[in-house]
Amino acid sequence: GAVVSQHPSWVICKSGTSVKIECRSLDFQATTMFWYRQFPKQSLMLMATSNEGSKATYEQGVEKDKFLINHASLTLSTLTVTSAHPEDSSFYICSASGDIGRNTEAFFGQGTRLTVV
Amino acid sequence: LAKTTQPISMDSYEGQEVNITCSHNNIATNDYITWYQQFPSQGPRFIIQGYKTKVTNEVASLFIPADRKSSTLSLPRVSLSDTAVYYCLVGDYNTNAGKSTFGDGTTLTVKP
Repeated sequence: GAVVSQHPSWVICKSGTSVKIECRSLDFQATTMFWYRQFPKQSLMLMATSNEGSKATYEQGVEKDKFLINHASLTLSTLTVTSAHPEDSSFYICSASGDIGRNTEAFFGQGTRLTVV
Repeated sequence: LAKTTQPISMDSYEGQEVNITCSHNNIATNDYITWYQQFPSQGPRFIIQGYKTKVTNEVASLFIPADRKSSTLSLPRVSLSDTAVYYCLVGDYNTNAGKSTFGDGTTLTVKP
């Protein structure tokens, strides 16, 4: 089946620094990738949609200047949390869809645990 | 997107069949139903998907009545490793499945 890989699986950073999270589709071309955030004991919340080669579309309430998304190739999207603060600590998950499987099935990465201290 | 309602939590014992029901009263004609499983600190994993009647795969069955206003995920003979959060999603065929609206999910706890 389709595999989506995130890196790193977990990261700890100091407040005020920036962190980059990668999302890769390993065996298919992902024309569209999605980024979610999940706080403890809560559900996944969609943050943004990224299409290869174009600007990301952010959901209401998500700061585009804080959460920079780049989708420069059909297999890689990155999420950069800029000037991270403790309240940005969360579980970040990407999903991808493309030229594999049914168009009604989403493939999720394993997630990245971000802790800002 | 149609809003879904699921029980917040369920308990079961190893070897039992577990049925988790999801209500989606406002489901539209173009909507399909998908169930995902999520373990702690992992991304969601696709379990099963259907539009109407019954769908079965190697891990679960999905029962959808004729009015499609609800669906039931059936897990046969659960084991401890089935302890997870189960999400019911309703999505439009014309919308990319990766852009999903997750509800609160059902936390299933399987006891020995």
